[in-house]
Amino acid sequence: DGGITQSPKYLFRKEGQNVTLSCEQNLNHDAMYWYRQDPGQGLRLIYYSQIVNDFQKGDIAEGYSVSREKKESFPLTVTSAQKNPTAFYLCASSSLDGNNEQFFGPGTRLTVL
Amino acid sequence: DAKTTQPTSMDCAEGRAANLPCNHSTISGNEYVYWYRQIHSQGPQYIIHGLKNNETNEMASLIITEDRKSSTLILPHATLRDTAVYYCIVRPPYNFNKFYFGSGTKLNVKP
Repeated sequence: DGGITQSPKYLFRKEGQNVTLSCEQNLNHDAMYWYRQDPGQGLRLIYYSQIVNDFQKGDIAEGYSVSREKKESFPLTVTSAQKNPTAFYLCASSSLDGNNEQFFGPGTRLTVL
Repeated sequence: DAKTTQPTSMDCAEGRAANLPCNHSTISGNEYVYWYRQIHSQGPQYIIHGLKNNETNEMASLIITEDRKSSTLILPHATLRDTAVYYCIVRPPYNFNKFYFGSGTKLNVKP
């Protein structure tokens, strides 16, 4: 089945530690995205990538980093510089067609203790 | 970029049609209207999108007013599994960083 996988579903880390969230897609999509969602809120864009080895900052990139070494993979690292990292993180992908919809993964819930 | 306004919450009886409104009075001529939904603690699910014509698929219908300043998502026979937050988004084509998910409408389908 085609789709987007994120792992793990739940992640616990101590304050001050970097943590990397995985996102893989087999939809052959060129574009990939990372969003953050806080309780009761909408989604906010962290980073996005339209092509391998290239990515752009979204609205809330501070304290996060990404890489795009393969078309299928777009891992997100939450660094110790992120002041409030506890949140629900969502990965998405899309084609580069003009009116493309985004397909979302199941999300990773990160809790920093 | 056009912004959207949606009611915070709505109730619907199971088996009835659910009509979810969205106001996008500042929409530009080339901006599409998208609808997504998010069931609790899951990733958003694409429902439907359109530019100016009404659209229908197996999940829902999208009615866009002639002036394009508002739209309505219709779930023809709501079930308990349709309980979710529904997001209305407007976005110009080829702008890959312009999917703005606001707070959406929490639809409660009741037996």
